[in-house]
Amino acid sequence: AQSVDQPDAHVTLYEGASLELRCSYSYSAAPYLFWYVQYPGQSLQFLLKYITGDAVVKGTKGFEAEFRKSNSSFNLKKSPAHWSDSAKYFCALEGPTSSSFSKLVFGQGTSLSVVP
Amino acid sequence: SVLLYQKPNRDICQSGTSLKIQCVADSQVVSMFWYQQFQEQSLMLMATANEGSEATYESGFTKDKFPISRPNLTFSTLTVNNARPGDSSIYFCSSREWGGWNTLYFGAGTRLSVL
Repeated sequence: AQSVDQPDAHVTLYEGASLELRCSYSYSAAPYLFWYVQYPGQSLQFLLKYITGDAVVKGTKGFEAEFRKSNSSFNLKKSPAHWSDSAKYFCALEGPTSSSFSKLVFGQGTSLSVVP
Repeated sequence: SVLLYQKPNRDICQSGTSLKIQCVADSQVVSMFWYQQFQEQSLMLMATANEGSEATYESGFTKDKFPISRPNLTFSTLTVNNARPGDSSIYFCSSREWGGWNTLYFGAGTRLSVL
């Protein structure tokens, strides 16, 4: 079975610092991995995805993520962080194949607070 | 991208009543997915709805409680039957452009409060 773990329920940092949100996954095959952001009271917005190829993928809003097969991780990064990045971030996994029918499994989410 | 319009965006209902949530896509899509999100928690996939067939439900969700219709390639409805306070949550519909490796997009969500 596939699963996603985001071990940090809350992360707080100062504006201008570098942020890294952790995500690990468990899956027997090649994963398709995603990051989404949810601002308070809003729906989910897509940030970036890893399908294949370069381990570092760049997304919207200045975010990037690095896929590391060796430790089954897909951490989200941004530098510098801005107060407007305060939101909840979800890592998600798709499998076993990618198609119109494929479903996403989400991690628990990490609430990020960026203090001005 | 796919734009998904949900309505209502918010509703309050009494225990024991039923509520219907509609989701309309701005283009034809193969699958529509319904997710449930409790306050400050993750999203749980409830079911997958494909046109012309019965929805496929995930563990913990049943068609008697959450019947889903998918009459065409742009529309789906989720009904919450015999609503209970424990059903109070946000319900999202989602879908992706036709084909694989495409991003899943979400509707704005329906915030349900059951009294």
